[in-house]
Amino acid sequence: AQSVTQLDSHVSVSEGTPVLLRCNYSSSYSPSLFWYVQHPNKGLQLLLKYTSAATLVKGINGFEAEFKKSETSFHLTKPSAHMSDAAEYFCVVSVLNTGGFKTIFGAGTRLFVKA
Amino acid sequence: NAGVTQTPKFRVLKTGQSMTLLCAQDMNHEYMYWYRQDPGMGLRLIHYSVGEGTTAKGEVPDGYNVSRLKKQNFLLGLESAAPSQTSVYFCASSPGTGVFDEQFFGPGTRLTVL
Repeated sequence: AQSVTQLDSHVSVSEGTPVLLRCNYSSSYSPSLFWYVQHPNKGLQLLLKYTSAATLVKGINGFEAEFKKSETSFHLTKPSAHMSDAAEYFCVVSVLNTGGFKTIFGAGTRLFVKA
Repeated sequence: NAGVTQTPKFRVLKTGQSMTLLCAQDMNHEYMYWYRQDPGMGLRLIHYSVGEGTTAKGEVPDGYNVSRLKKQNFLLGLESAAPSQTSVYFCASSPGTGVFDEQFFGPGTRLTVL
C-alpha cells in the first residue's frame, strides 16, 4: 500500500530564512515523488519531481528536495524564503503496479512567510 | 495555450440535482484526471482516463460518472448531488502516466450542495 505523510500542517518562517517542509512516504513499489504548490484560489503547479534518477532534485523558484530511501523521506527545502512563497505545498507519491496507477496526495503544509 | 480550463468556476446545487463539470485541455495530453479537494485531506482522485474513450476509477469514485468522448475533453457528472459532494474539484492532464509525468491542473470548480 502507498501513503504519504506531511509532518507539519503549518510552517511559519521569516523572509530570508530557510524553509523546510517535511514529507515521509510509504510504498510497496518504487515510487515517483512530487512536490506541488498551490497559491490561494489557484490550481496546483509542479515544483519538482523524483523519478529514480538523481536523489537530489532541483525545482523551480530555488526549491530542492532530497530522496532518502533509507528514511523514506522527501523533504522540501529552500535556503531563503520570499514573501511570494506563502502558499500550500503538497507532497505526492505515485506508483505503477499490477493494479494500475495510483497517486496519493499528502494533506498539505501551509507555509506562512513573515516580513 | 490556455492549458487546462474548467467550466463552471462556481456552482450551487440542491440535494438531488444533477450537473456536469467540463474539463478541456489544449496540450494533446493522453491522460486526464478528476480530483476533489477537501480541507485537511489533500486531493483525492475520483476518476481518470488514459486516452480517448477510456475511463477508470480512482480512490473515491462513488456518486460520480465520467466520459472522455474526445481526447481534449473530460466530463465529470453528478447524477444526484449530496451535501457530502460539496468540495473543490480539480481537473488535470498529463502527456503520459501521472507516475512519471507532471500533471497540469485547471483552476478548479467550487461546488456547494445544499
